[in-house]
Amino acid sequence: EPEVTQTPSHQVTQMGQEVILRCVPISNHLYFYWYRQILGQKVEFLVSFYNNEISEKSEIFDDQFSVERPDGSNFTLKIRSTKLEDSAMYFCASSDLWNNQPQHFGDGTRLSIL
Amino acid sequence: GQNIDQPTEMTATEGAIVQINCTYQTSGFNGLFWYQQHAGEAPTFLSYNVLDGLEEKGRFSSFLSRSKGYSYLLLKELQMKDSASYLCAVRDEENNNDMRFGAGTRLTVKP
Repeated sequence: EPEVTQTPSHQVTQMGQEVILRCVPISNHLYFYWYRQILGQKVEFLVSFYNNEISEKSEIFDDQFSVERPDGSNFTLKIRSTKLEDSAMYFCASSDLWNNQPQHFGDGTRLSIL
Repeated sequence: GQNIDQPTEMTATEGAIVQINCTYQTSGFNGLFWYQQHAGEAPTFLSYNVLDGLEEKGRFSSFLSRSKGYSYLLLKELQMKDSASYLCAVRDEENNNDMRFGAGTRLTVKP
């Protein structure tokens, strides 16, 4: 069964550094998402992406965050200048058509900011 | 805005039935999803409801009442591996049909 893949599985970065999290969505999916889950807390929506542009973004997704689909397969999340509070699990998800199709999640990247 | 409420924790016995409730308030409801999340792992899709009624899928069923802003996930014949968090997520037209998650219900299945 096709799956969403994320790399790396764990990223350790110094505060203030830039980090790029990578995702390969399921190949025929059209909608892409990033979520964040701080340890012990709920899954929080960051951003959705369709047709090469951001569809929706949450208040968490400030100017420090950006997303890109640099080629036909990758979908990346960049954090320009990381803060301690950015430490979390970051999940990428993708879905086919909107309405009744579930989002499929990758295994996540655990980001640790030192 | 949205509010999605679920009980924080539940405990049940292996072989039993458990019902996990979810209530929501949203302006442009367009579907409700249930996901399972084992500790340290990604959420995995369980069920989807957009019309009132019961959707059954093996040991898992999900119910929706749109007028009451209420859903439940029913797990039958509980197994130890069902110990996990169960996440209720609502799709809202006012959020461009993106999903928003509740805090999740941590279910512990005991022998």
